[in-house]
Amino acid sequence: DGGITQSPKYLFRKEGQNVTLSCEQNLNHDAMYWYRQDPGQGLRLIYYSQIVNDFQKGDIAEGYSVSREKKESFPLTVTSAQKNPTAFYLCASSGQDAAEAFFGQGTRLTVV
Amino acid sequence: GENVEQHPSTLSVQEGDSAVIKCTYSDSASNYFPWYKQELGKGPQLIIDIRSNVGEKKDQRIAVTLNKTAKHFSLHITETQPEDSAVYFCAASYANTGFQKLVFGTGTRLLVSP
Repeated sequence: DGGITQSPKYLFRKEGQNVTLSCEQNLNHDAMYWYRQDPGQGLRLIYYSQIVNDFQKGDIAEGYSVSREKKESFPLTVTSAQKNPTAFYLCASSGQDAAEAFFGQGTRLTVV
Repeated sequence: GENVEQHPSTLSVQEGDSAVIKCTYSDSASNYFPWYKQELGKGPQLIIDIRSNVGEKKDQRIAVTLNKTAKHFSLHITETQPEDSAVYFCAASYANTGFQKLVFGTGTRLLVSP
């Protein structure tokens, strides 16, 4: 089945630690995105990548980093510089119509 | 920058009633308007979308209308069922660097009571 796979589903992090969230897609999509979702605030764009080996900051990139070494993969690292990392993180991808995005099932990150 | 406002934030209806969710956008260049349904603990699922060259689109019990002049669009769900209960997000496309991205509304929690 084609789709977007995020792992893990739940992730716990101690303060001061970096953690990496995985996102893999087998839809052959060029573009991939990371969003953060907080209660009552909708989805906010963290980073996006239009093509392999290229990525751009979104609206809330501070404290996050990404890489795009393969078309299928777009991992997100939440660094210790992110002051309020507890949130639901969503990965998405889109094909030729860059605006038509399809989402993974999300990773819930909790800082303990 | 681009902004999308969504109302209401919560909506409670009885099974069989209709539900309407409204969104307004700020960028007159936006040309793509999707609607997503998100169930608890899951990712958003695209349920219907509309482009700026049409005013209305239907898919069974759901429909979306677009008024480009007023810069607003709406989701209409008829004959609601309990399984329609979820959070619904609207979005509008924008392209500040030539690449189309989406900006989302803050969501509407729909509760359909049997």
